[in-house]
Amino acid sequence: AQKVTQAQTEISVVEKEDVTLDCVYETRDTTYYLFWYKQPPSGELVFLIRRNSFDEQNEISGRYSWNFQKSTSSFNFTITASQVVDSAVYFCALSEARSGNTPLVFGKGTRLSVIA
Amino acid sequence: NAGVTQTPKFQVLKTGQSMTLQCAQDMNHEYMSWYRQDPGMGLRLIHYSVGAGITDQGEVPNGYNVSRSTTEDFPLRLLSAAPSQTSVYFCATRDTGSYNSPLHFGNGTRLTVT
Repeated sequence: AQKVTQAQTEISVVEKEDVTLDCVYETRDTTYYLFWYKQPPSGELVFLIRRNSFDEQNEISGRYSWNFQKSTSSFNFTITASQVVDSAVYFCALSEARSGNTPLVFGKGTRLSVIA
Repeated sequence: NAGVTQTPKFQVLKTGQSMTLQCAQDMNHEYMSWYRQDPGMGLRLIHYSVGAGITDQGEVPNGYNVSRSTTEDFPLRLLSAAPSQTSVYFCATRDTGSYNSPLHFGNGTRLTVT
């Protein structure tokens, strides 16, 4: 069975600090997909990134970066020089690769508060 | 394109009442799903559908019914609302042509059952 654990329930940082959100997953499949979503205070769910299990390259997009490590079953998300607009709940999700019809399983989310 | 449209945005029900949460999409996605979001619980899958006429249960299906008569619509029915069903409900679709396609979410329906 697949499972996603986001152990950090809430994190609070001061603006311009770097912050890492942890995501640990469990799956028996050798091929799977990982996702990060952002939910700002307005409530909508915004897709940020996806990663295939066979692609362990880290990814950087502006102030955001993602570190995928199969050896530790982790897919961590780092925000560099955090800003108040980064305040949101962030969800990590996993989908096994049996088909494009496999449901996504979400972690419980990490609430990030960035204080000015 | 509107994407994924959920109606209503807000709803208050009394215990025992029934209602249908609507979800419509114009992206021609075969896959549609319903999640509920509760504080500290993340997003939990209620039901999903991989195409018209096909539905399946998720993690928390009890108390909810679904049907999929068209590609565009995937309504969620509460037959007899209970306070435990107070939650924010999200409909989400996915392009099944690609194994790693992300979910596209509607803006949610906030339901309160008193």
